[in-house]
Amino acid sequence: QKEVEQDPGPLSVPEGAIVSLNCTYSNSAFQYFMWYRQYSRKGPELLMYTYSSGNKEDGRFTAQVDKSSKYISLFIRDSQPSDSATYLCAMSAAGNRKLIWGLGTSLAVNP
Amino acid sequence: EPEVTQTPSHQVTQMGQEVILRCVPISNHLYFYWYRQILGQKVEFLVSFYNNEISEKSEIFDDQFSVERPDGSNFTLKIRSTKLEDSAMYFCASREQGDGQPQHFGDGTRLSIL
Repeated sequence: QKEVEQDPGPLSVPEGAIVSLNCTYSNSAFQYFMWYRQYSRKGPELLMYTYSSGNKEDGRFTAQVDKSSKYISLFIRDSQPSDSATYLCAMSAAGNRKLIWGLGTSLAVNP
Repeated sequence: EPEVTQTPSHQVTQMGQEVILRCVPISNHLYFYWYRQILGQKVEFLVSFYNNEISEKSEIFDDQFSVERPDGSNFTLKIRSTKLEDSAMYFCASREQGDGQPQHFGDGTRLSIL
């Protein structure tokens, strides 16, 4: 079983839609969960960062972690064309904190 | 806002040659990382570096690779005798001390081996 699984999409939504992105993982040692956004020819840009289970909200973005199900989600409300990018989930165990990544989901928000 | 900077943005090299990829981490960060992303594949961890030594490395990071922090600001990745399969995006990341601190990434160096 792969450590982190993420549907690569592509996902296409109209402007203003609510977008739901998610990842599953197999390693119960993961404690830190991140969502990065990556535009073409750019590096990953940190969007959301959570520790252990629970929800975290920042503006239009909400991250959820369900450790019992080994499932994490990112919700984008009122999506904008500028949200069009690849969204990568990443996670790590405690200690050294090397990140294990999903494949990324390509999102297009259409005006 | 402070950022991680990487140079060059694109490096083209003949197979068998050595390359050095350079990174300037965020100034108060103490943990440094290199990752790579082959086109169409996941981002992969290569190595982490703290207190002037490697703290962890992946199976990919074999004797062909080395890292160095030659001064107080730069962090480099050297690849000796490059192979075609080394062609990828290479990302540098850094983070502050503290178990709860996230990693911040540069825009990467696109390495093309001919």
